[in-house]
Amino acid sequence: DSGVTQTPKHLITATGQRVTLRCSPRSGDLSVYWYQQSLDQGLQFLIQYYNGEERAKGNILERFSAQQFPDLHSELNLSSLELGDSALYFCASSVDGTGGPTDTQYFGPGTRLTVL
Amino acid sequence: KNQVEQSPQSLIILEGKNCTLQCNYTVSPFSNLRWYKQDTGRGPVSLTIMTFSENTKSNGRYTATLDADTKQSSLHITASQLSDSASYICVVSDVNQAGTALIFGKGTTLSVSS
Repeated sequence: DSGVTQTPKHLITATGQRVTLRCSPRSGDLSVYWYQQSLDQGLQFLIQYYNGEERAKGNILERFSAQQFPDLHSELNLSSLELGDSALYFCASSVDGTGGPTDTQYFGPGTRLTVL
Repeated sequence: KNQVEQSPQSLIILEGKNCTLQCNYTVSPFSNLRWYKQDTGRGPVSLTIMTFSENTKSNGRYTATLDADTKQSSLHITASQLSDSASYICVVSDVNQAGTALIFGKGTTLSVSS
């Protein structure tokens, strides 16, 4: 158990809908990352937050948005969903978010999103 | 474009045997290179993290090597166990993006059979 929690575990929805994925980081970790993992793709970095502020942006679509709240939990909002958005969405947390050699990322169990 | 390429794509070995997974990258300069283990349907778990000045790092039966000159890394698994069946992902940190952009390889899927 990494200490990172994600809800829900599974989500099934229809095209055009909007969903919210939730992540609680490990106690003491200030940085949160979101990743997407499709069947035939590796992990794709979406976005990173540090202590409530956006720190880095990856391949995140305009239809997707995220935020980190004062209690450090984070939410990833996916809107106007398409079939191709079906994937595993992982949240990870780390202490200082620098990506340095001592800044280990701990991954949550993921949310499996299925868009029908 | 910064890339991380892993080989082989998949590998099947017998329990107790050793194996070596390869990772080639074009990220330059880079901050560090990580190997993760990902069980099916679960989040990745960190195995090793190496900076450019480190040549080798071990974590139990897992030993990672790094050649920063040739931009190659390998992960050697000794005396494999059934529980080693997983995807192994090589990740390189792109220092140009403040060290927060991790570039992931697609992984090598290892199957250990009895």
